[in-house]
Amino acid sequence: GIQVEQSPPDLILQEGANSTLRCNFSDSVNNLQWFHQNPWGQLINLFYIPSGTKQNGRLSATTVATERYSLLYISSSQTTDSGVYFCAVAGFYGGSQGNLIFGKGTKLSVKP
Amino acid sequence: SAVISQKPSRDICQRGTSLTIQCQVDSQVTMMFWYRQQPGQSLTLIATANQGSEATYESGFVIDKFPISRPNLTFSTLTVSNMSPEDSSIYLCSASSGTEAFFGQGTRLTVV
Repeated sequence: GIQVEQSPPDLILQEGANSTLRCNFSDSVNNLQWFHQNPWGQLINLFYIPSGTKQNGRLSATTVATERYSLLYISSSQTTDSGVYFCAVAGFYGGSQGNLIFGKGTKLSVKP
Repeated sequence: SAVISQKPSRDICQRGTSLTIQCQVDSQVTMMFWYRQQPGQSLTLIATANQGSEATYESGFVIDKFPISRPNLTFSTLTVSNMSPEDSSIYLCSASSGTEAFFGQGTRLTVV
């Protein structure tokens, strides 16, 4: 099956700093999503981005499908950005079409 | 987008008992999924809930332990049977109509 690798595994930032999170995947995908998991365990949808670039406020994401990677940019980080960021993909093939395969996540801590 | 209500949000259960988790979507969706997130880990797919037929289970998960129902296009249940402390996890319901996937707020289960 598809392998999803995220880096870095842990990231500590000072409030106001910028950061880039990376997601590499091993095969062609028809879905790629970024999520933020808050301390209560809830998954918040950030981007649905199988290809191209999107921006939402201080967050933006770029997926280069031909090179099998995606980047999540966080600018002017705030303490509320803390949590775990997951990249998840779905492939074109397989018995369970549409289900997401998750990376191990990047744990972000933003210090005041 | 789909809004997914999952309940209970958390529970503490005695070993050997069973817990049924409910997932309600606010609109008809093509696909519904159940995931498990063990402490400090990423999300792993348990099964795809198929409307009107038996669920499709991933390797390592069996129907006797995790029976799933999906009587219609907006509702599904997951039962965690004969629980042991190793079943302590967050269980998440997900729904998709072929593109972006959405998640419920999760059920935090502790087995004592």
